[in-house]
Amino acid sequence: DGGITQSPKYLFRKEGQNVTLSCEQNLNHDAMYWYRQDPGQGLRLIYYSQIVNDFQKGDIAEGYSVSREKKESFPLTVTSAQKNPTAFYLCASSDPNTDTQYFGPGTRLTVL
Amino acid sequence: GQQVMQIPQYQHVQEGEDFTTYCNSSTTLSNIQWYKQRPGGHPVFLIQLVKSGEVKKQKRLTFQFGEAKKNSSLHITATQTTDVGTYFCAAPSAGGTSYGKLTFGQGTILTVHP
Repeated sequence: DGGITQSPKYLFRKEGQNVTLSCEQNLNHDAMYWYRQDPGQGLRLIYYSQIVNDFQKGDIAEGYSVSREKKESFPLTVTSAQKNPTAFYLCASSDPNTDTQYFGPGTRLTVL
Repeated sequence: GQQVMQIPQYQHVQEGEDFTTYCNSSTTLSNIQWYKQRPGGHPVFLIQLVKSGEVKKQKRLTFQFGEAKKNSSLHITATQTTDVGTYFCAAPSAGGTSYGKLTFGQGTILTVHP
């Protein structure tokens, strides 16, 4: 999991503002994922990308957008349309041989 | 779609007691994975089970895959305070493993009282 970085670690946003969370990996993985985790809850899939320039909606994509212009990078934008954006956001990539997922340290987003 | 049910949601134990979390699927799984998330941290891969009836051990942790490949369990013997965290099971979302997308169980939050 040391091959995935997320920034920033903590992020504060005012209501009505868009914010972009960074995710970078140097594991040479094709597939990358964004999850949302609320306190005491499991992981809910927001978006995933299996290859550069392609991505699909997960279970809770509304109010979020992504891009995948480079293999190493999969940024997530939390838009003002997301009604309850305060959460812990986790980025992951997967090993194509085992489908094991490697997670970044996460970004805690708080909307003020 | 694929659903993976995990129980219990919470487990509080005294240090030295055993702990078990269970994961169940309505469909046959090609494999199942287990992850641990320490408080304030991120999920970390523990193990993958592939074969029917497979049992794997990592020190005090024992992982089992059911004969029908629809359920799995994680058992911790003689818990320690370092075992505190949330344990997740996860299974491939799309029948096979070609896409890497996983469905995670809700997780079991383990608290260990010294």
